[in-house]
Amino acid sequence: GDQVEQSPSALSLHEGTGSALRCNFTTTMRAVQWFRKNSRGSLINLFYLASGTKENGRLKSAFDSKERYSTLHIRDAQLEDSGTYFCAALTGNTGKLIFGLGTTLQVQP
Amino acid sequence: AQTIHQWPVAEIKAVGSPLSLGCTIKGKSSPNLYWYWQATGGTLQQLFYSITVGQVESVVQLNLSASRPKDDQFILSTEKLLLSHSGFYLCAWSEGGPSQNTLYFGAGTRLSVL
Repeated sequence: GDQVEQSPSALSLHEGTGSALRCNFTTTMRAVQWFRKNSRGSLINLFYLASGTKENGRLKSAFDSKERYSTLHIRDAQLEDSGTYFCAALTGNTGKLIFGLGTTLQVQP
Repeated sequence: AQTIHQWPVAEIKAVGSPLSLGCTIKGKSSPNLYWYWQATGGTLQQLFYSITVGQVESVVQLNLSASRPKDDQFILSTEKLLLSHSGFYLCAWSEGGPSQNTLYFGAGTRLSVL
């Protein structure tokens, strides 16, 4: 079935450094959305992409439907970036949003 | 098989008027329920989620409220609509937490506030 494989499951960064999170899809997805879980467990939207790339501050995301992946790049990581990040893919058929298992990011001084 | 039904399909309302959108899930007991708002560009914004009857968690403040009066029913409402409330409202359910499961969406309600 349709699946979203998110990696890495955990990531540790020092302040000021950067890295990338990745989601691979087993089928062609219509769009992808990246979320961050806040302290209350709610999902806060970071990016929604139907194609191409988007950038917001120190975050940048890309989505390639044909190659079946999406990435979230974090640069100049700050302590407050720590948390759990999720990608979610909107299937080609209507009505399903499939989440990856998440990446727990810890930013250290 | 589970079914999710949203009503109404579309609404045209005046600024300042009240609103009530409904969502019913059949064929699934104790689902997690969600309200999403699809904004310009297709971005899905989570508004509320509920894991059980009578318990609703607010994600963003948009001068809207939600209630779960029954296990299979989720209601989105406001007493006074704003122009900014226009958009597409989607109800969804999942078996567990949203981050480890698939969300199944209803057909949505198109709201135009004039």
